[in-house]
Amino acid sequence: KQEVTQIPAALSVPEGENLVLNCSFTDSAIYNLQWFRQDPGKGLTSLLLIQSSQREQTSGRLNASLDKSSGRSTLYIAASQPGDSATYLCAVTMEYGNKLVFGAGTILRVKS
Amino acid sequence: DTGVSQDPRHKITKRGQNVTFRCDPISEHNRLYWYRQTLGQGPEFLTYFQNEAQLEKSRLLSDRFSAERPKGSFSTLEIQRTEQGDSAMYLCASSLGKFSGQGRFGKNIQYFGAGTRLSVL
Repeated sequence: KQEVTQIPAALSVPEGENLVLNCSFTDSAIYNLQWFRQDPGKGLTSLLLIQSSQREQTSGRLNASLDKSSGRSTLYIAASQPGDSATYLCAVTMEYGNKLVFGAGTILRVKS
Repeated sequence: DTGVSQDPRHKITKRGQNVTFRCDPISEHNRLYWYRQTLGQGPEFLTYFQNEAQLEKSRLLSDRFSAERPKGSFSTLEIQRTEQGDSAMYLCASSLGKFSGQGRFGKNIQYFGAGTRLSVL
């Protein structure tokens, strides 16, 4: 059974810092991995999707890397801003179009 | 179309009552997923449909839960005889999965609705 773990559970940083969120998964035979953002009481917004054959994806100040063989992914946020404060969730899928298996998330607070 | 729509946004009910939630996916999306999220946890998969066919159900989906997607458009999730442990955020997502004789293509990104928060008293 696939299990996804995210470290740290919570993180508080001053504005402007670069930060790294970690995600690990137990079964490396994933189809793809996604990073989502969730604001309090809201749904999820997809940030980045990495196919199993890819090593990284970038969008603006966000960069996600994937090391499939070791079962790890990192989300790098550059020059953090208060608006980045949210819960960041990592999820994997084992087959095209199949269900997502989520980690518990990292709660990020960026202080101004 | 502005995205996945869920109704109601909030539902408060007494233990033992039945509740029904509705999800309207992004138009032309052929896959629709239901997840449940409790406080401090990531969403957990409940079930998903391709068009009107229910392809997979989680063991979390007890006999009190039923989901439908008539005509492959909107979907409903019904919980009968609600229990306090059913209190959670129920999330719906939709995606466009492209299948052809040569295989599968497209990223099949799941787009999520804002969720229905259920409180069972």
